[in-house]
Amino acid sequence: EPEVTQTPSHQVTQMGQEVILRCVPISNHLYFYWYRQILGQKVEFLVSFYNNEISEKSEIFDDQFSVERPDGSNFTLKIRSTKLEDSAMYFCASSPTSGRYNEQFFGPGTRLTVL
Amino acid sequence: SQKIEQNSEALNIQEGKTATLTCNYTNYSPAYLQWYRQDPGRGPVFLLLIRENEKEKRKERLKVTFDTTLKQSLFHITASQPADSATYLCALVHNQGGKLIFGQGTELSVKP
Repeated sequence: EPEVTQTPSHQVTQMGQEVILRCVPISNHLYFYWYRQILGQKVEFLVSFYNNEISEKSEIFDDQFSVERPDGSNFTLKIRSTKLEDSAMYFCASSPTSGRYNEQFFGPGTRLTVL
Repeated sequence: SQKIEQNSEALNIQEGKTATLTCNYTNYSPAYLQWYRQDPGRGPVFLLLIRENEKEKRKERLKVTFDTTLKQSLFHITASQPADSATYLCALVHNQGGKLIFGQGTELSVKP
């Protein structure tokens, strides 16, 4: 069964460094999402992406964040200058059509630790 | 602002019993509501979706109800098993783009 994959599973970085989190969505899906979950807290929406552009972003998704679909298969989340409060589990998700009508398929997550 | 609340306390039940989890929301009128399961350190896994014009949806041992007047959804697991132990997340579908707004989840523990 097709699944969303994410790499790395765990990323440790120093405050102020840039990180790139990578995701490979399910191949025939059209809608892509990033969510994050700070330890012990709820899953929070960051950004949605469709037709090679951002369709919606949350207030968390400030200028330090960017997303890209560089090659038609990978979907990346970049944090330019990490802060301590960026430490969280980051989940990529994809959906074949608008998530309004369908389930979202989540990846296993990347645990980001900012020191 | 929009708010989704789930039972914050963990739910402990005996194997074979029915687990009932609650999701309440305010300041919102979602057309769709979804339930996910999340195991520790893993991503959410979709379980069921219910539309505003559906009162009830079933899938095997799972049942979801959606009361738009009470602004509440109930999630039931019948004949619960220890393997059902996990955190269950309620999510409102925000708009056409599919942004999910999650509740904080309810941790279910099924004892043999």
